[in-house]
Amino acid sequence: EDQVTQSPEALRLQEGESSSLNCSYTVSGLRGLFWYRQDPGKGPEFLFTLYSAGEEKEKERLKATLTKKESFLHITAPKPEDSATYLCAVQVYNTDKLIFGTGTRLQVFP
Amino acid sequence: EADIYQTPRYLVIGTGKKITLECSQTMGHDKMYWYQQDPGMELHLIHYSYGVNSTEKGDLSSESTVSRIRTEHFPLTLESARPSHTSQYLCASSEFTGELFFGEGSRLTVL
Repeated sequence: EDQVTQSPEALRLQEGESSSLNCSYTVSGLRGLFWYRQDPGKGPEFLFTLYSAGEEKEKERLKATLTKKESFLHITAPKPEDSATYLCAVQVYNTDKLIFGTGTRLQVFP
Repeated sequence: EADIYQTPRYLVIGTGKKITLECSQTMGHDKMYWYQQDPGMELHLIHYSYGVNSTEKGDLSSESTVSRIRTEHFPLTLESARPSHTSQYLCASSEFTGELFFGEGSRLTVL
């Protein structure tokens, strides 16, 4: 069965304390992996697309990487405004649908 | 910047009422989606459309219905709301699968 698991469920960081969020997936064939940010009471906001193992994407303090079994979202020197829930989603090969994980709730304290 | 709008943002209604959640986008995207999300849970696809007059049911069974008469408009209707329908409903559109633009959501509470 295709599935996506994100860890940890919640993460508390001090401002400036770098860390990583994990998204592991089990799918019959990966067509793409996507990261989103969701603020409380809002819809998710698209961040990155990764298509193949070894690929990396960066945006400000965020860097997403992909292997054959998992993806990491690295947060370097986070700020309080980076506090949000980060969602991972995968698209299975030969389908047009996304499977979302339950997300990692990140809190960054000043 | 994404331009996708949902109304109402919040709705509290009684059991048995008919409701319509509106969703409009100004990006000219052919693909549109409705997701349901409960607190702390993953998003579940309930309906999608690849263009005018095209609608399909998603992976999560839902008693709601949708229509796509115009490219920019994708409303969701519940004929008779029940407390089990209480949830957040998120509308999204995309040009490329996976790169979705979401609205801010409609939070529905059925008493």
